[in-house]
Amino acid sequence: EIVLTQSPGTLSLFPGERATLSCRASQTINNNYLAWYQQKPGQAPRLLIYGASSRATGIPDRFSGSGSGTDFTLTISRLEPEDFAVYYCQQYGRTPKTFGQGTKVEVK
Amino acid sequence: EVQLVQSRAEVRKPGESLKISCQASGYTFANYWVGWVRQVPGIGLEWMGVFYPGDSNTHYSPSFQGQVTISADKSTSTAYLQWYSLKDSDTAMYYCARLRSAYYFDAFDVWGQGTMVTVSS
Repeated sequence: EIVLTQSPGTLSLFPGERATLSCRASQTINNNYLAWYQQKPGQAPRLLIYGASSRATGIPDRFSGSGSGTDFTLTISRLEPEDFAVYYCQQYGRTPKTFGQGTKVEVK
Repeated sequence: EVQLVQSRAEVRKPGESLKISCQASGYTFANYWVGWVRQVPGIGLEWMGVFYPGDSNTHYSPSFQGQVTISADKSTSTAYLQWYSLKDSDTAMYYCARLRSAYYFDAFDVWGQGTMVTVSS
């Protein structure tokens, strides 16, 4: 199975700062089938990005995804108070469609 | 509005059986894959498997193959996750979620609110 490694484990930033989250795959992800999800405490995950760089419906443009092959990045250009959460990447190009272990973005 | 509403929290003893549900609304149930994701409290997300109601095609993660059964009833637009013999290690939050399209290789775009399953003697 494809193992996804996210870094850093925790990112401590001030509101208004830029967040850069990394997701590295153990094998090439077919067709860049890589998604990013946001999860807040007590809530279900929410789809942010699919196809490595396409924003899901209703997602603000401060969220952007990039990358290909085995290295992918989620960037939040300016952190808003509601963006502090845990972020997961997921590859859906091969079964099982594995998730990374998550990156927590916390208020500094 | 597209929505997935899951059944309530459950408490069971080891060895007991359980079936939890996920009621879909706001879209044509038969035309989208629906799947299940496990989250152990404080831990990350695990993809369990998906089911296509249109033709009953099912894919499981090897980690969950033989441990659970994923099914659906088109007539009620409801997906199910079933255990025949629960273990302590099945204690977790379980989310149902819909793939963005009828294409198997797609992301989950709509999620249920989660069902907490607690297994304890």
